[in-house]
Amino acid sequence: EAGVTQFPSHSVIEKGQTVTLRCDPISGHDNLYWYRRVMGKEIKFLLHFVKESKQDESGMPNNRFLAERTGGTYSTLKVQPAELEDSGVYFCASSQDKGPRPGTEAFFGQGTRLTVV
Amino acid sequence: AQKVTQAQTEISVVEKEDVTLDCVYETRDTTYYLFWYKQPPSGELVFLIRRNSFDEQNEISGRYSWNFQKSTSSFNFTITASQVVDSAVYFCALGPLIQGAQKLVFGQGTRLTINP
Repeated sequence: EAGVTQFPSHSVIEKGQTVTLRCDPISGHDNLYWYRRVMGKEIKFLLHFVKESKQDESGMPNNRFLAERTGGTYSTLKVQPAELEDSGVYFCASSQDKGPRPGTEAFFGQGTRLTVV
Repeated sequence: AQKVTQAQTEISVVEKEDVTLDCVYETRDTTYYLFWYKQPPSGELVFLIRRNSFDEQNEISGRYSWNFQKSTSSFNFTITASQVVDSAVYFCALGPLIQGAQKLVFGQGTRLTINP
């Protein structure tokens, strides 16, 4: 079974440009999460989808960030326009609808390393 | 506010040594989950363990063991007889005891290097 996959693995863009990150969760996982780790600091929660609905977006830093999950499958996270402080590793995770049985923990992707120059 | 502290930024040991990674957490919730994740050089976060706040029994899985002490708000992770393949960044995390919710608060991570 495929795990959580993220595209691209690495992106380098100039300040002011737009970047879109994609996450494909594990098939059948209704919950999808975005996290971000900025330069050696802790990994911070950005938002949580349940199917196509935003359940919690309290961690989104500002309105330059837009997350979507059309159809409740894959999700995109767009940063527009990108700023230097947006550089970091963006992780996506997914989990099953019901917990806390074994196997319902969050599974993470390999992350997208975003560098804004 | 919830917080997870991993005071050890980097640890370096020689292969076969035992090593303990510390994790201290703060929460006002009476029920919660604690987690450990491993991030190998490939980048993904690999789930290691989830422990709920009701269960303070220590857990052992092969060379890995976890010591959960609610009295000191700690959830330490010990690797016995370390191996080079254990080299990675390890994250401790705190999460709600809510069905389907995995909004995790992570520590800053401990980079563990096992030298041959």
